[in-house]
This record gives sequence, structure tokens and C-alpha cells, in this order.
Amino acid sequence: QSALTQPASVSGSPGQSITISCTGTSSDVGGYNYVSWYQQHPGKATKLMIYDVSNRPSGVSNRFSGSKSGNTASLTISGLQAEDEADYYCSSYTSSSTAYVVFGGGTKLTVL
Amino acid sequence: EVQLVESGGGLVQPGGSLRLSCAASGFTFSDYWLSWVRQAPGKGLEWVANIKQDGSEKYYVDSVKGRFTISRDNAKNSLYLQMNSLGAEDTAVYYCARDRYYDILTGYYRGVYYFDYWGQGTLVTVSS
Repeated sequence: QSALTQPASVSGSPGQSITISCTGTSSDVGGYNYVSWYQQHPGKATKLMIYDVSNRPSGVSNRFSGSKSGNTASLTISGLQAEDEADYYCSSYTSSSTAYVVFGGGTKLTVL
Repeated sequence: EVQLVESGGGLVQPGGSLRLSCAASGFTFSDYWLSWVRQAPGKGLEWVANIKQDGSEKYYVDSVKGRFTISRDNAKNSLYLQMNSLGAEDTAVYYCARDRYYDILTGYYRGVYYFDYWGQGTLVTVSS
């Protein structure tokens, strides 16, 4: 069982916006601005999409945005494209264990 | 271009050992902490271990302490994970990932608590 809770799946049509949630506690997501998001395509290297809650690395489309409210972080993808279909994982620093970071269980995004 | 290429995975019997390697290129290897992250089949990601630039500090998730050892060779731009006393629960794809670096100009670490580059992983299967 993962430390952070994500929906197993979300879906949307091309051009639409979707949001993936990541729920933790005050010991991780809610207590620190160290939430990051990763994209996994089968057979490809995992890609950093968002770091420190809402920052985009160079080269990541501005269609991807991150936010946080209380113990829940969110990844929003606007203007959905077929290439966005992938698995997405959130991650956070935690003060409640010796692990460097903890991850969510992942969300499968399907572009209809 | 930053590249991380893992190798050394395979099938091993319970109780056995395996050594994973990660060859890095495209950046100054000795400037960065590095991590191993694993993903069991159909499951989420799990941070396993990380190591400081000079190898002087190493940290592990509780479930592998005493069984796994992370190391690096800065002269060879390589990261390693020695895995002993393997069990079925260690079956996973193992990824190496670039961790934080020390910014001399500011005196602070940057890239803390996230991984900006990952390899494609190497599969470790523990089974009799």
C-alpha cells in the first residue's frame, strides 16, 4: 500500500482538462512544498513533470501544472493530447519515515 | 544529453545476490547525489537508497537495510547496488535516478526531494 493516495485511473477526451489528485497527510504533502509528479510511458524513461508542487522543468509543456491544498496535491493537464496517455505518479518528502521520499500508487490516464 | 543506463538485472533464486550497475553520461557525475528507485510488477514506485557525491553518506529504505549496499565510482561515472539475501518481495524493475546537487554559488542543495533524470530500468526477478 502506497503512502500517498492517487485515483487508479482518470480519462478525458482530446482538448479537455483533467486533474489527478494525490492525498497524503500533514507529515508529507500537507506539511512541505516538496511534491513532485512523474510521467511513465511503457518502455521509456520516467520523466519529471512538476517539482516543488508547481514548478515545471525546462522542456515540459505548460499544459501541465501543479498545485496543493491542504494534504492534497493535484496535477492538471489542459488541452489533453493523445501523447499524454501514460501513468502518473506523485511523490513527496515525508517526516514520518526514514525514506527519502514516498510515492503514490500511480494513476493511469486514458485519452479517449 | 543526460543518460542513465542500468544493467545487471536477471533471474535469481531466493536468498541469492545480484549487483546492479548504472552508467551515467552527459553531466558531471561527481556533482550529484544518486538514487535507486524500484517498481514491483503492476505496482507503484518505491525509493530504495541514495548516496552522496563522494560516497560518504548512504541512506536506505528500512526494508533493504542490511541487505543492500549502494556505492559509486566517480572515475567510471557509475552507480551500483549490491543486493544480498534477495526475496520475492524484491522482484521489481530497478531504476537509477539523479538526485540533488550542491550549488556552490548559493551554498544550498538544489533538486532536493525529486529526481530530474531516470534510467529505463533493469528487471530483477527473484524466483525458484
